[in-house]
Parts: sequence; structure tokens; C-alpha cells
Amino acid sequence: SAVISQKPSRDICQRGTSLTIQCQVDSQVTMMFWYRQQPGQSLTLIATANQGSEATYESGFVIDKFPISRPNLTFSTLTVSNMSPEDSSIYLCSVETSGVSKFYNEQFFGPGTRLTVL
Amino acid sequence: AQTVTQSQPEMSVQEAETVTLSCTYDTSENNYYLFWYKQPPSRQMILVIRQEAYKQQNATENRFSVNFQKAAKSFSLKISDSQLGDTAMYFCAFMKGSGGGADGLTFGKGTHLIIQP
Repeated sequence: SAVISQKPSRDICQRGTSLTIQCQVDSQVTMMFWYRQQPGQSLTLIATANQGSEATYESGFVIDKFPISRPNLTFSTLTVSNMSPEDSSIYLCSVETSGVSKFYNEQFFGPGTRLTVL
Repeated sequence: AQTVTQSQPEMSVQEAETVTLSCTYDTSENNYYLFWYKQPPSRQMILVIRQEAYKQQNATENRFSVNFQKAAKSFSLKISDSQLGDTAMYFCAFMKGSGGGADGLTFGKGTHLIIQP
């Protein structure tokens, strides 16, 4: 399995500011994913981040609002820019670790970052 | 695009009973994977079980099994001998088989399962 940590675990931010969320994995992985879970809702994929290439964003999410970095095979950041109360959510990163799990193509999830925007 | 539908927002059963959670999906893909994830109050996502679309045999993992009906695009989860620790949100999820590795997951809205003592 993969051990994933996220920082911060939670934060309360003011409208108009930006927050960068870090995702650290204990092993090298090719693919990392960022999801958003709005209060009481399901998870929605924001973007896919492969090391060495630009992140691929899903419909409804844009790079200017959610810039992503992937500097190496164990780390990624997601920035939530110019925040509004509608951005209040849990943000989760996940990684796919083919070959090291009994579930091929399993995605392991980080513990999430709970963001509240006032 | 694919969609995943879970029609049961909440279910409640007694401990030791068997419960079945429903999931249907819609896709034009022929190669894909289906998952059930559990999210307890700690909010950590935990993979419960996985099914490859090309496999006719239903996946099983201890007390958890699925009923995969490809033609009907149905993927239900059966939990046998339910335990208090099974109390959680359960999400059904879909992933395209991209061939070169994993793709992002498309999740259903979830079913809140409560196991009563």
C-alpha cells in the first residue's frame, strides 16, 4: 500500500486569499489525482497530475483557479486561488500504485484537507 | 462521460444482518473497473472491493461480495454478517480502463450505512 500525508489537515481562510495544499507519498508514483468533496457530497475529480507534464483538468475546473504542481514522483501541491465560501470543501489527493497492491489499479487516498472559507 | 447512481441515501440494519447496497452506472466504454469505497467518520477513503468489467465472476473479499450485472450496468455490494465497524458512507466508483495506467474515478453520491447494535 501507499502512505499519503496531506498538509494542512484543515484550515480556515478569508475570502479572496489562496491556500496551497501539499500531498506527500512514501513511494514513487506516476499518477496523482486531486478530488474535491463538498459538504455532505460525493467526491469529484479536479485534475490528474503526472510528473513531468501539465496537469489535466476535468470539466468545470480550470488551472487559474486550481493550479497544480508535480515536481517529483512523491509530491504534489494543489492551490485553491481567490477563494470564496463556495470553495469550502474537503480536498483529497490520491495515487495509483499498480503492482504494489493486491488490487491492481487501486487508488489510495490521503486523509484530506478540510477547508473553510469565510 | 460516465455516470454512477446510488439510489439509497441511507440504510440501517441490525448487527449480523446482511445488507445490499445498490449501484448503477452508465458508460459507453467496454473496458473499465468498478469499485466500492468506504468512508468512515474519520473520512479516510478505504477500498472495499474491485471488479474488472471483463471478468464474469463476481468479486468477493471476506464478508463483502458484489453482484455485477454488466448488461444491466448494475454493481451492487453485499455485506454479510454486518458489524458495527461497517458503519460508514459507501461510494460506488467507476474508472475507465485506459491501458496505460489508472484514470480518475467517477463516484456515486454515496449511501450512508448504519449498523445498529
